[in-house]
Amino acid sequence: QKEVEQDPGPLSVPEGAIVSLNCTYSNSAFQYFMWYRQYSRKGPELLMYTYSSGNKEDGRFTAQVDKSSKYISLFIRDSQPSDSATYLCAMSSVNAGNNRKLIWGLGTSLAVNP
Amino acid sequence: EAQVTQNPRYLITVTGKKLTVTCSQNMNHEYMSWYRQDPGLGLRQIYYSMNVEVTDKGDVPEGYKVSRKEKRNFPLILESPSPNQTSLYFCASSFRGLGYEQYFGPGTRLTVT
Repeated sequence: QKEVEQDPGPLSVPEGAIVSLNCTYSNSAFQYFMWYRQYSRKGPELLMYTYSSGNKEDGRFTAQVDKSSKYISLFIRDSQPSDSATYLCAMSSVNAGNNRKLIWGLGTSLAVNP
Repeated sequence: EAQVTQNPRYLITVTGKKLTVTCSQNMNHEYMSWYRQDPGLGLRQIYYSMNVEVTDKGDVPEGYKVSRKEKRNFPLILESPSPNQTSLYFCASSFRGLGYEQYFGPGTRLTVT
């Protein structure tokens, strides 16, 4: 079993829809959670990060962490065609030391159709 | 503009011909990493550096070398490339640590024939 599981999709939604992207993980020591967006032929771009449990909102994006279920989500409200990209989750157990690396999901491909 | 740059962006080469992919960041970050990204395998860390002259292996270091002689630069060296090193390569840097948010370069598409 992989440490981080992410449904690769593809996920196709109409413009304006609410999108829910998810990752599950198995390591209960993970405390730092990130979401990246990667456009085709570009490098991953940091969208949001959260520490421990709870929600964090930034514009149309909301990141949610449920540590009891080992489940993180990224919600996109009022989705736009420009949101079409691959979304990667990443996480780490940073308290274990500064050389602890990120563990990555494989990414979910999202297409928002006009 | 704060950024990570990589060169070249695209490279086609032949088996065994040594090559270097350069990486430079202008954010004064201590931590830098090299990743490769392959379909179905995702991002895998090749090497990382925690400071000048401090480097260590990641998950897939075989066939690669790195050096960190200056804080801003972290070149990736393939001394004898093979076709299984055909991939998309990313350099990344971080100011807080390897387990924290990483800032990525634009990528280098390498094809080894």
